[in-house]
Amino acid sequence: KAGVTQTPRYLIKTRGQQVTLSCSPISGHRSVSWYQQTPGQGLQFLFEYFSETQRNKGNFPGRFSGRQFSNSRSEMNVSTLELGDSALYLCASSLGLVIDTQYFGPGTRLTVL
Amino acid sequence: TQLLEQSPQFLSIQEGENLTVYCNSSSVFSSLQWYRQEPGEGPVLLVTVVTGGEVKKLKRLTFQFGDARKDSSLHITAAQPGDTGLYLCAGSSGTYKYIFGTGTRLKVLA
Repeated sequence: KAGVTQTPRYLIKTRGQQVTLSCSPISGHRSVSWYQQTPGQGLQFLFEYFSETQRNKGNFPGRFSGRQFSNSRSEMNVSTLELGDSALYLCASSLGLVIDTQYFGPGTRLTVL
Repeated sequence: TQLLEQSPQFLSIQEGENLTVYCNSSSVFSSLQWYRQEPGEGPVLLVTVVTGGEVKKLKRLTFQFGDARKDSSLHITAAQPGDTGLYLCAGSSGTYKYIFGTGTRLKVLA
């Protein structure tokens, strides 16, 4: 079956702009989680959506937001970009069980100048 | 705040050597997972352990979950260049949310 798709793969923005990243999960998966990966902080959980509802949220400022559509596709938005937002943003798709297998996409590399 | 500390952070070894990576926390997890990530790709799940004291083997990789479910280890026997990558542990407290460890970057030299 097709894997998790993330678009775009690379993005360059300037401070103050906003950005929207997209994630298409594996067919049949209802949960999408988003993570930020940086060399200094590692992989940090942003939020998880299940059946169009945010079910969990990490410790990120309100500039980071997301949503999930009825077909389980998800988007995350970062407003008023800061230099520190430069990172690899990963989404993970799963069935949404308590003990689950997350399938990660290749990520979107965001560079903020 | 739940934290997962991994050690060592970096490891460079010769092909054929054995190694152990540790994942430690002061918090109890209901399950713990190990992933491997290669450059330009997302992490790929290797194993999930859920019972304290559980040991799982995946070919040359042996995973152990601590009795108190606060720590885990990954042992690789006779490492090969194909084992090179970033190894990540991730713990869940049953809230559909995973806390990832700090990562161990392994390089196996031929």
